[in-house]
Amino acid sequence: KAGVTQTPRYLIKTRGQQVTLSCSPISGHRSVSWYQQTPGQGLQFLFEYFSETQRNKGNFPGRFSGRQFSNSRSEMNVSTLELGDSALYLCASSLRDFPYVSTDTQYFGPGTRLTVL
Amino acid sequence: DQQVKQNSPSLSVQEGRISILNCDYTNSMFDYFLWYKKYPAEGPTFLISISSIKDKNEDGRFTVFLNKSAKHLSLHIVPSQPGDSAVYFCAASSLIQGAQKLVFGQGTRLTINP
Repeated sequence: KAGVTQTPRYLIKTRGQQVTLSCSPISGHRSVSWYQQTPGQGLQFLFEYFSETQRNKGNFPGRFSGRQFSNSRSEMNVSTLELGDSALYLCASSLRDFPYVSTDTQYFGPGTRLTVL
Repeated sequence: DQQVKQNSPSLSVQEGRISILNCDYTNSMFDYFLWYKKYPAEGPTFLISISSIKDKNEDGRFTVFLNKSAKHLSLHIVPSQPGDSAVYFCAASSLIQGAQKLVFGQGTRLTINP
């Protein structure tokens, strides 16, 4: 079974631009979460989607948004890029079903390395 | 407010010996704990997990121990192998209004010396 895939793997943008990252979960997984990894802040939760609906959101500004499609694939968008948005963006999927009665293991993709100049 | 802490940024262990990685948490609502291994420029790879109703879970060379009263968990790797050299993250999970959120520690870089 193929793992979580993310495209593109690397991206270079300039301040003020916007970017869209894509994630395809493991087949059969309907829950998709996004995380940001930076050297200073570590791994931080962005948001989680299930059945095309955002179920949970971390402490990030509104410039960070996402969506999920009917095939469970997800996209993440960052508008008006800032230098501090340079990070590794990770997508994770799990078998969890909503409403959740228990927590479950999340499996991560390789990430998209975003550099903002 | 760092709810999950890995106080050792790095750890160096001889090949064949035991590696012990530690993690502390503050939120008593966490009900599921995971360990991930990460190589540079790759996503975290799931290693092992433990539910809050257990105090030990074992999978091959990896064992995770949970001490709920101390809000502490540890990962034991026995015997340590060179391929185990990586950054290890512990993560804790809780249900918030029916949705799950993982909170990660800052990571511990493990180096296995031959």
